Amino acid sequence: DGGITQSPKYLFRKEGQNVTLSCEQNLNHDAMYWYRQDPGQGLRLIYYSQIVNDFQKGDIAEGYSVSREKKESFPLTVTSAQKNPTAFYLCASSISSRPATNSPLHFGNGTRLTVT
Amino acid sequence: KQEVTQIPAALSVPEGENLVLNCSFTDSAIYNLQWFRQDPGKGLTSLLLIQSSQREQTSGRLNASLDKSSGRSTLYIAASQPGDSATYLCAVRLTTTDSWGKLQFGAGTQVVVTP
Repeated sequence: DGGITQSPKYLFRKEGQNVTLSCEQNLNHDAMYWYRQDPGQGLRLIYYSQIVNDFQKGDIAEGYSVSREKKESFPLTVTSAQKNPTAFYLCASSISSRPATNSPLHFGNGTRLTVT
Repeated sequence: KQEVTQIPAALSVPEGENLVLNCSFTDSAIYNLQWFRQDPGKGLTSLLLIQSSQREQTSGRLNASLDKSSGRSTLYIAASQPGDSATYLCAVRLTTTDSWGKLQFGAGTQVVVTP
């Protein structure tokens, strides 16, 4: 079955540690995205990538980093510089990021990160 | 700046009733609008995507309408079932001068359908 796999489902870290969240897709989609979801708020875009070896900052990129070395993989690192990292992180993909294609977003099941 | 609002934040209906979920946006310059469903602790599942040139889109018991000029979309779910209990989010795809059309999400409406 095609889809997006995020791992792990739950992650616990101590303050000051970097942590990497995995996102893998087998949909052959060009575009991939990372969103953060906090209670009572809409999803906020952290980073996105339109093609391999290219990515851009979203609205809340500070304290996060990404890489896109392979089409199917888009890992997100939450660094110690992120002031409030505890949240639900969602990875998504679409055939293309070009809006004219009207391609819908497909989401993984998320990773809940708790930093204490 | 585009603002997307979903009111109410939560809704409870008895089984069998029709559900009406609202989404409003402040800037009518959008490429499309997408409705999603999110179950607790899970990712988002795409329900319907309406292009800016369309007025409505239907899939089974779901019907979504779009009125760009008034900045509104409505998701109708006919004959609700307990399995429809979830949070429903809408997102608009913004038009920009470059090739990237960012999605702006609402905070969602949490729906409970009681047996």
